[in-house]
Amino acid sequence: EPEVTQTPSHQVTQMGQEVILRCVPISNHLYFYWYRQILGQKVEFLVSFYNNEISEKSEIFDDQFSVERPDGSNFTLKIRSTKLEDSAMYFCASSGNKGKPQHFGDGTRLSIL
Amino acid sequence: AQSVTQLGSHVSVSEGALVLLRCNYSSSVPPYLFWYVQYPNQGLQLLLKYTTGATLVKGINGFEAEFKKSETSFHLTKPSAHMSDAAEYFCAVTLNNAGNMLTFGGGTRLMVKP
Repeated sequence: EPEVTQTPSHQVTQMGQEVILRCVPISNHLYFYWYRQILGQKVEFLVSFYNNEISEKSEIFDDQFSVERPDGSNFTLKIRSTKLEDSAMYFCASSGNKGKPQHFGDGTRLSIL
Repeated sequence: AQSVTQLGSHVSVSEGALVLLRCNYSSSVPPYLFWYVQYPNQGLQLLLKYTTGATLVKGINGFEAEFKKSETSFHLTKPSAHMSDAAEYFCAVTLNNAGNMLTFGGGTRLMVKP
């Protein structure tokens, strides 16, 4: 069964550094998402992406965050200048259409030192 | 706007006993509802979904859930727990006129005792 894959599984970064989290969505999916889960807290929506542009974003997704689909397969989340509070598990998801179930990757654990 | 409340952050059952995980939602328009399961060090796996039609939906691993509009609930059940069911379970809602962002509940950690 097709899967969403995320790399790396664990990223350790110094505060203030830029980080790029990578995702390969399911190949025929059209909608792409990023979520995060701070340890012990809820899974929170960050951003959705369709037709090469952001379709929705949450208050968390400020100017420090950006997303990109640089080619036909990858979907990336960039954090420009990381803060301690960015430490979390980041999940990528994709779906075939609006309202269709979102399929999640195994996540990238981001640790900011 | 929508929100999800999962009553009970931890639920413990004996192997073979009924599993009941509670989920209540609020939504301004008819919702789409989902249950996801997360095993340690893994991503979120879809258990089942309700969009329209039959209000009792069956999912993987013997789980089912019933959409009750009058109670704004979507509780997850399984008649007989297995040790392998131990995991964290998340209820989530999205709006059927937007269908993008999922709003998650806080999760319920299910523990299964031998």
